[in-house]
Amino acid sequence: AQSVSQHNHHVILSEAASLELGCNYSYGGTVNLFWYVQYPGQHLQLLLKYFSGDPLVKGIKGFEAEFIKSKFSFNLRKPSVQWSDTAEYFCAVNGGRSSASKIIFGSGTRLSIRP
Amino acid sequence: EAGVTQFPSHSVIEKGQTVTLRCDPISGHDNLYWYRRVMGKEIKFLLHFVKESKQDESGMPNNRFLAERTGGTYSTLKVQPAELEDSGVYFCASSQDGGASYNEQFFGPGTRLTVL
Repeated sequence: AQSVSQHNHHVILSEAASLELGCNYSYGGTVNLFWYVQYPGQHLQLLLKYFSGDPLVKGIKGFEAEFIKSKFSFNLRKPSVQWSDTAEYFCAVNGGRSSASKIIFGSGTRLSIRP
Repeated sequence: EAGVTQFPSHSVIEKGQTVTLRCDPISGHDNLYWYRRVMGKEIKFLLHFVKESKQDESGMPNNRFLAERTGGTYSTLKVQPAELEDSGVYFCASSQDGGASYNEQFFGPGTRLTVL
């Protein structure tokens, strides 16, 4: 079955701490991988994506993620978090050559940053 | 450019009533999706339109849910009759038709549905 597993439900960090959010997926065939973020009171928005090419992808606001095919993982990292990174983060996957197929989401990780 | 819009932002109804949610995609986007998040769980796919045709409706939970996209523009999702377990946030997303190239799905703000 197709699924996405996020390791942490709620993460609390202090400003300037490093962040790594774990994500593993189960999906047959070619995959496209995403991290979405929902800031308080805002829309769900794309943070970064892996479609093809370099498995280390960089997104907005200093976030990056690494696709490790052998581990079926796509962990999100940021070297130094800020209070404004407080949000809910969703790892997601869809498949095939086209990105038009349905997206399968993980259950989300709520990130709280202490100022 | 206007983003994906949804109406209403919040709806509170009683069990057994009918509710209709509306989604206006980004202009020119042929793909329109409905997703739902129930009680803090994962966001789950409901269905996918390409223009006015249902491309994939594998996520629709049962026949109490009816989605339409007449004319290939806005879409409605009707729940009739609503049950308690239908409570959650209903998201709409849209994307261009890009064939083999990547096209981002842009999400609306969601409609929070509460069934009492």
